[in-house]
Amino acid sequence: NAGVTQTPKFRVLKTGQSMTLLCAQDMNHEYMYWYRQDPGMGLRLIHYSVGEGTTAKGEVPDGYNVSRLKKQNFLLGLESAAPSQTSVYFCASREEQAGTEAFFGQGTRLTVV
Amino acid sequence: EDKVVQSPLSLVVHEGDTVTLNCSYEVTNFRSLLWYKQEKKAPTFLFMLTSSGIEKKSGRLSSILDKKELFSILNITATQTGDSAVYLCADLNYGGSQGNLIFGKGTKLSVKP
Repeated sequence: NAGVTQTPKFRVLKTGQSMTLLCAQDMNHEYMYWYRQDPGMGLRLIHYSVGEGTTAKGEVPDGYNVSRLKKQNFLLGLESAAPSQTSVYFCASREEQAGTEAFFGQGTRLTVV
Repeated sequence: EDKVVQSPLSLVVHEGDTVTLNCSYEVTNFRSLLWYKQEKKAPTFLFMLTSSGIEKKSGRLSSILDKKELFSILNITATQTGDSAVYLCADLNYGGSQGNLIFGKGTKLSVKP
């Protein structure tokens, strides 16, 4: 069972470059989330989606864009990377019902130099 | 703005000690509170709490929710070095943006032999 898969696992970017992180889930989940994790900061919600074709801003959306063209995929884009975006990025998904947990991908470690 | 606050932020104990981790929340349209354990990589699910006063238990770990006072605790008895991790709590709510899943900063637990 694949669950939630993130690609790439590691990436080094130069300031100003762009890139897209891909999150794919095979559990037919409605909800998908992108978080960033920095030391001592827990998980901070960047953007999330409650279904195909929908997206919403989280706690720290600036500098990021997302798209959910297909139910199984949630893409996170950085148009012009900045060193402040150096972080570990986690994707998660869950069913629509309230009583279900969120499943996480293994993370993407992004360094912007 | 929804808020999840965990305390303490870090804790060092010795094997065999019992620890209590705290999570308080201020949210609209609360649905559930979730606890996760994070070691090196992705968070792994521990408990989901929806109703007040009902303890969830798994081995040496247990958790309970107080919806009146808006907090939850996670207890670990007879701690082992393998319990060393960051423990995260998260609130699932259906406020202004449906399906929002907000995490606290986490409690870093270190268990020494």
